[in-house]
Amino acid sequence: SYVLTQPPSVSVAPGQTARITCGGNNIGSKSVHWYQQKPGQAPVLVVYDDSDRPSGIPERFSGSNSGNTATLTISRVEAGDEADYYCQVWDSSSDHSWWFGGGTKLTVL
Amino acid sequence: EVQLVESGGGLVQPGGSLRLSCAASGFTFSSYWMHWVRQAPGKGLVWVSRINSDGSSTSYADSVKGRFTISRDNAKNTLYLQMNSLRAEDTAVYYCARSGGLGASDAFDIWGQGTMVTVSS
Repeated sequence: SYVLTQPPSVSVAPGQTARITCGGNNIGSKSVHWYQQKPGQAPVLVVYDDSDRPSGIPERFSGSNSGNTATLTISRVEAGDEADYYCQVWDSSSDHSWWFGGGTKLTVL
Repeated sequence: EVQLVESGGGLVQPGGSLRLSCAASGFTFSSYWMHWVRQAPGKGLVWVSRINSDGSSTSYADSVKGRFTISRDNAKNTLYLQMNSLRAEDTAVYYCARSGGLGASDAFDIWGQGTMVTVSS
């Protein structure tokens, strides 16, 4: 298995910058994807391949990945960004499986 | 509109079986890998299974291997998950998702709304 470690919660004031980390062994060698999930809704892809954004996702969402940590950065946080965020990778060494982090609850104060 | 719609969830007794379906529309279903992902109540996302575009290759999470079978009917634009020998710990919302919609990326770019499976006596 491949373990992805996220902080359970992150809190930030509106207008500030939120950073959500995702730790994994040599994660910098993998492509990391990030999903946003609001209560009662399906996940939505917000960043893929470490730092790319799907169409329709605001530029406020960005990502980076190096060494043993990937980071999702949300600039100028808005109330509507409050959600659970999950990182994900594909690991070829574990029977070609996809792995999700445990999720981080972003609270906008 | 690109869309995935799951169905087939419900209440089933431990040891029972259930088949989930995922109807795809708005895109060329036969060109994409498809996945099932589940989420137990109050818990995180867990990848369950995937199938390649023509159905010739599949893989499973260890927790469901030997009990669940993923399949697809490209003529009907439908993905399936046959779940046998169900356990209480299989209780979850089951989502179908698409990968391969963003160039060479394996990210899951389209998700269905989910269907709830409850395993209980």
